[in-house]
Amino acid sequence: DSGVTQTPKHLITATGQRVTLRCSPRSGDLSVYWYQQSLDQGLQFLIQYYNGEERAKGNILERFSAQQFPDLHSELNLSSLELGDSALYFCASTTRNTGELFFGEGSRLTVL
Amino acid sequence: AQTVTQSQPEMSVQEAETVTLSCTYDTSESDYYLFWYKQPPSRQMILVIRQEAYKQQNATENRFSVNFQKAAKSFSLKISDSQLGDAAMYFCAYRSVGGNQFYFGTGTSLTVIP
Repeated sequence: DSGVTQTPKHLITATGQRVTLRCSPRSGDLSVYWYQQSLDQGLQFLIQYYNGEERAKGNILERFSAQQFPDLHSELNLSSLELGDSALYFCASTTRNTGELFFGEGSRLTVL
Repeated sequence: AQTVTQSQPEMSVQEAETVTLSCTYDTSESDYYLFWYKQPPSRQMILVIRQEAYKQQNATENRFSVNFQKAAKSFSLKISDSQLGDAAMYFCAYRSVGGNQFYFGTGTSLTVIP
């Protein structure tokens, strides 16, 4: 157990819909990262937050947005969903002390 | 920008044998972290091993060890006594000390043959 909690684990929705993925980082971790992994693909960095502020942005579509709340949990909002948005979405958190990313189990999104 | 290259998309190893997965990276930084992550069929990302660049000693975790060659910017993962449970996708990753960004390689898919 990495200590990073993601909900929901699985989500099936239709094209054009909007979903929200939620992430709670490890206790004490201020940084949250979101990644997208399509089937048999590598990890695509979407966005990073540190203590409520956006710190880095990757290849995140305009239809996607995220935020980190004062209690440090984060949400990734995906709107106007397309078939190609079907993927595994990972949240990860990190601490400065040890450097590594701790990943949640991912939210598996299927768009039909 | 830093890049991480895994030149072996697929590898296979016989059970109980040893296999080495390659990773090279490009950076102008002198202090950084390197990681190997394992992603089994469950698709959960699991940290296998980490290496701090300032440490000359290669990291070891049970059957997993690395060969860290800082000058060559190489960071290979050796899996000894391979087990069926080692079958997974393995990702190499880089992070500079104090940096926000993590850079991942494209992954190496490891098959373990019984």
